[in-house]
Amino acid sequence: GAVVSQHPSWVICKSGTSVKIECRSLDFQATTMFWYRQFPKQSLMLMATSNEGSKATYEQGVEKDKFLINHASLTLSTLTVTSAHPEDSSFYICSVGTSRYEQYFGPGTRLTVT
Amino acid sequence: TQLLEQSPQFLSIQEGENLTVYCNSSSVFSSLQWYRQEPGEGPVLLVTVVTGGEVKKLKRLTFQFGDARKDSSLHITAAQPGDTGLYLCAGGTGKLIFGQGTELSVKP
Repeated sequence: GAVVSQHPSWVICKSGTSVKIECRSLDFQATTMFWYRQFPKQSLMLMATSNEGSKATYEQGVEKDKFLINHASLTLSTLTVTSAHPEDSSFYICSVGTSRYEQYFGPGTRLTVT
Repeated sequence: TQLLEQSPQFLSIQEGENLTVYCNSSSVFSSLQWYRQEPGEGPVLLVTVVTGGEVKKLKRLTFQFGDARKDSSLHITAAQPGDTGLYLCAGGTGKLIFGQGTELSVKP
């Protein structure tokens, strides 16, 4: 498996500001990380696939200019929510792909935009 | 497009009861995973099934992968309050597709 951390665990920001969320793979060299969004009582929705050293691949309907992803090293991927609005409030979770089949998830980041 | 249909979406039972959660698709999957998620936390991988007809056991949890690799089930025997959580099935190679989830509540 892999141990994954996220920082911060929760953040409150004002509408119009930007917020950066970090995802770290603590014990696995992660060439691929994934970013998900989850609304209360719902399943996970994949936002993008983050590839080390290259551009992220975004899912249909996810604005790449709004959700900036950087994967500059094998242990760190970041998600920046730019010009945040209240509708961006959600639970954001990252994961590390350790094989073709398995992913290990971070503890998540609760974002609240006021 | 591959889809995973999970049922039931909500389940509230008494401690000691048995339950089964189903994960179905019209598509063939190379593998399926089951995760459990508690409120405010990330999902935790419980098991991966890869071979059609495979059965895996994790204490009181039994996971089965259908012969045709289009469906899977999770059976919990003698449920405990600590089993409460959101159970998610997921499948795919590389990118994971998630089912809608089953919210399980086990009352003492």
